[in-house]
Amino acid sequence: SDELTQPPSVSVSPGQSARITCSGDALPKKYVHWYQYKSGQAPVLVIYEDTKRPSGIPQRISGSISGTLATLTISGAQVEDEADYYCYLTDTNGNHRFGGGTKLTVL
Amino acid sequence: EVQLVESGGGLVQPGGSLRLSCAGSGFTFSSFRMDWVRQPPGKGLVWVSRINGDGSSTRYADSVKGRFTISRDNAKNTLYLQINNLTAEDTARYFCVRGVRTGMTFYFDHWGQGTLVTVSS
Repeated sequence: SDELTQPPSVSVSPGQSARITCSGDALPKKYVHWYQYKSGQAPVLVIYEDTKRPSGIPQRISGSISGTLATLTISGAQVEDEADYYCYLTDTNGNHRFGGGTKLTVL
Repeated sequence: EVQLVESGGGLVQPGGSLRLSCAGSGFTFSSFRMDWVRQPPGKGLVWVSRINGDGSSTRYADSVKGRFTISRDNAKNTLYLQINNLTAEDTARYFCVRGVRTGMTFYFDHWGQGTLVTVSS
């Protein structure tokens, strides 16, 4: 399937590591990118090309990939990291695929 | 600093029309492909349409083909989305996004805050 599947929610305590997964058959063949979306704000690119971090994104945010599973990890999650996170890729047919989004709660 | 600022959303009756605008600044607007992505209430992100840098090539999601028209005015650094024959399913926040293609992939590197379109009688 070309769909990208994310868990609807992840909850951690402040200082713990938060791991948000994105699974899909296209992941071994296509780069995945991750966006952070806080309501009322513009979504922000936090990881591109599986593992790269744009300038200005804190080092505690990282990306990894293994086979059909991509993972966004926030080490030492803080309250300010609460947001919805979306994975994204363009599939082999050039279609734009977003995951369903994961709501991260830090409390 | 790259900025994308959308405007033009609002409440419209079914069958109505709107024109959304997106003003870009902080970069050479004409050098970048631009897209629209929308988010219906309580749902995820959905790609809508794209236009290349000089406006000569456009593409649409099947759900909006024939009703939406994307365009741009590079002299004004502005992207547009004309949306016609609106239905309740078009209710969403509409985001203007800048697209980046590298040798290996494509992604959206900057987003606006979005403009809300509500279709209701």
